Amino acid sequence: GQQVMQIPQYQHVQEGEDFTTYCNSSTTLSNIQWYKQRPGGHPVFLIQLVKSGEVKKQKRLTFQFGEAKKNSSLHITATQTTDVGTYFCAGGAQKLVFGQGTRLTINP
Amino acid sequence: DTAVSQTPKYLVTQMGNDKSIKCEQNLGHDTMYWYKQDSKKFLKIMFSYNNKELIINETVPNRFSPKSPDKAHLNLHINSLELGDSAVYFCASSRGTSTNTGELFFGEGSRLTVL
Repeated sequence: GQQVMQIPQYQHVQEGEDFTTYCNSSTTLSNIQWYKQRPGGHPVFLIQLVKSGEVKKQKRLTFQFGEAKKNSSLHITATQTTDVGTYFCAGGAQKLVFGQGTRLTINP
Repeated sequence: DTAVSQTPKYLVTQMGNDKSIKCEQNLGHDTMYWYKQDSKKFLKIMFSYNNKELIINETVPNRFSPKSPDKAHLNLHINSLELGDSAVYFCASSRGTSTNTGELFFGEGSRLTVL
């Protein structure tokens, strides 16, 4: 079945440093979504990418969808303590398959 | 006004018991889901219903039985609970089509602990 792999599993940064998480799918994706889950919270939708090579920005967050629509990345510039949490990518048409998530911790 | 609400938030029970989790959404969505998040934070889909009809049934033990009395409600009943069932169960909903689930709105989760 479809698999979505995400790396790294954990990332610890100093506040102000950049952070990137990468997502790879075993199959071509019709779209990819990104979610953020704060500690003790529930996943919250961030964005959906649909087009090959698409790049979208939300303030300090930049999301990319690969040309082959099999990989994606989320980059955070100048992290802040409010960015702490686990970031998940998810892909699939009728069934959304989640990556394992990247847990981001930040040293203030 | 909570969009997707689940009850109970916490559930502690003994092995072998039967328990239910309820979920309701007031977003007018057609599709609802149950996801299981284990201790390693891995989110795995269990079931999906579209307009009360089961459309996704992953490899889940048949001790787990979902029920959707109407498109705004999706409940999960678990029989003969086992230690490995301990997890956080998230309900979610979306507008959902056959080619794009759309944004998923998650409930706050129900943390099940089996002793």
